[in-house]
Amino acid sequence: DTEVTQTPKHLVMGMTNKKSLKCEQHMGHRAMYWYKQKAKKPPELMFVYSYEKLSINESVPSRFSPECPNSSLLNLHLHALQPEDSALYLCASSQDPGTSGLSEDTQYFGPGTRLTVL
Amino acid sequence: AQKVTQAQTEISVVEKEDVTLDCVYETRDTTYYLFWYKQPPSGELVFLIRRNSFDEQNEISGRYSWNFQKSTSSFNFTITASQVVDSAVYFCALTTIGAYSGAGSYQLTFGKGTKLSVIP
Repeated sequence: DTEVTQTPKHLVMGMTNKKSLKCEQHMGHRAMYWYKQKAKKPPELMFVYSYEKLSINESVPSRFSPECPNSSLLNLHLHALQPEDSALYLCASSQDPGTSGLSEDTQYFGPGTRLTVL
Repeated sequence: AQKVTQAQTEISVVEKEDVTLDCVYETRDTTYYLFWYKQPPSGELVFLIRRNSFDEQNEISGRYSWNFQKSTSSFNFTITASQVVDSAVYFCALTTIGAYSGAGSYQLTFGKGTKLSVIP
């Protein structure tokens, strides 16, 4: 079963709100990822967690704060976002993080959270 | 650095037609992996296939087939007898390992995607 779940499906928030996106996988994967996807563009990598530790941060603004409470869960805490942060946020996981947090293993994606910042 | 080019931005076909989505990649590394993902309007990226650089065998899975040619750095995807449910954006992606990848090793490099519309 290659399933990654994400909640909520849709989120509308104001620029002063604090919200969180949640991602869960039960495939025993040890690498988890957050991607941001703007309309008509490919996904862009934001963060990589390897064995529950942050291994890659692609220079993401601090208003995005990732957290990996355990090997199955990945959160993305949002605070003081801007309207240009409106996008589809995708979570993914893969089996073996390798030494750098990334490997050639297939990444399996969740359905995404469509975020709108007003 | 690696690059994936999907020159077809949008394609429309009538149901039951065959359609080929092109993917051309660039990398100086000799070990790499190629992927195709499907993204229907719902948003989820669905994994379709992974192929490594040492395996040039073509693959068929039902109505889907993939043609990997190292000589032309291409990894094209054909849907036979297309159906309305095939309507989606399709992404080709590349991950490389090796001397030339550097800090970018293993990162998935996506093409810009091809939007396929199958008209009933």
